[in-house]
Amino acid sequence: NAGVTQTPKFRILKIGQSMTLQCTQDMNHNYMYWYRQDPGMGLKLIYYSVGAGITDKGEVPNGYNVSRSTTEDFPLRLELAAPSQTSVYFCASSYNRAPYNEQFFGPGTRLTVL
Amino acid sequence: GEDVEQSLFLSVREGDSSVINCTYTDSSSTYLYWYKQEPGAGLQLLTYIFSNMDMKQDQRLTVLLNKKDKHLSLRIADTQTGDSAIYFCAESIKGGGATNKLIFGTGTLLAVQP
Repeated sequence: NAGVTQTPKFRILKIGQSMTLQCTQDMNHNYMYWYRQDPGMGLKLIYYSVGAGITDKGEVPNGYNVSRSTTEDFPLRLELAAPSQTSVYFCASSYNRAPYNEQFFGPGTRLTVL
Repeated sequence: GEDVEQSLFLSVREGDSSVINCTYTDSSSTYLYWYKQEPGAGLQLLTYIFSNMDMKQDQRLTVLLNKKDKHLSLRIADTQTGDSAIYFCAESIKGGGATNKLIFGTGTLLAVQP
């Protein structure tokens, strides 16, 4: 079982470039999430999905887009990269049996925008 | 608003006990979690506590919950150098519909001195 995998591990972008962060899980989890982690700020939820074809905004969605065409994949798209998007991005998944919600995290993508 | 607070840094000597504290805001949180993040890795669930419990013990870990003060703590007995990591507390809050989401604290960096 690979769990949650993310690619790439590291990326440097120029201002205005676009890219897609990939996330795949093999646990058949219905819920998937994207977070960003900034030093001293904890994790902030960007977008989440409760199942294929259904996505919703989190706390900090501006500048990002997502799609969920399959249960396994949940890519995060940055259209016009800005320095404020320099961060570490984590994808997570869970089989959400509310109120219990154990989330499994990928190893992260470190993104720098210059 | 939704805010989970932790102190940023804790330093202990190997063999001592570590106590990491957290205050949360939502009195209706049903589960509270502790996650561990090792350097360069994603978060992993360490332990959790259900809101109707005051204490939960799991080997070297003891979780204490004070619902009146909305205070959660994680005690690590006989702290080892391998416990050096960032520790996040998280509370579950109701999202839209039947979903719930996690609100993470800022994280506490635990440094264990040999």
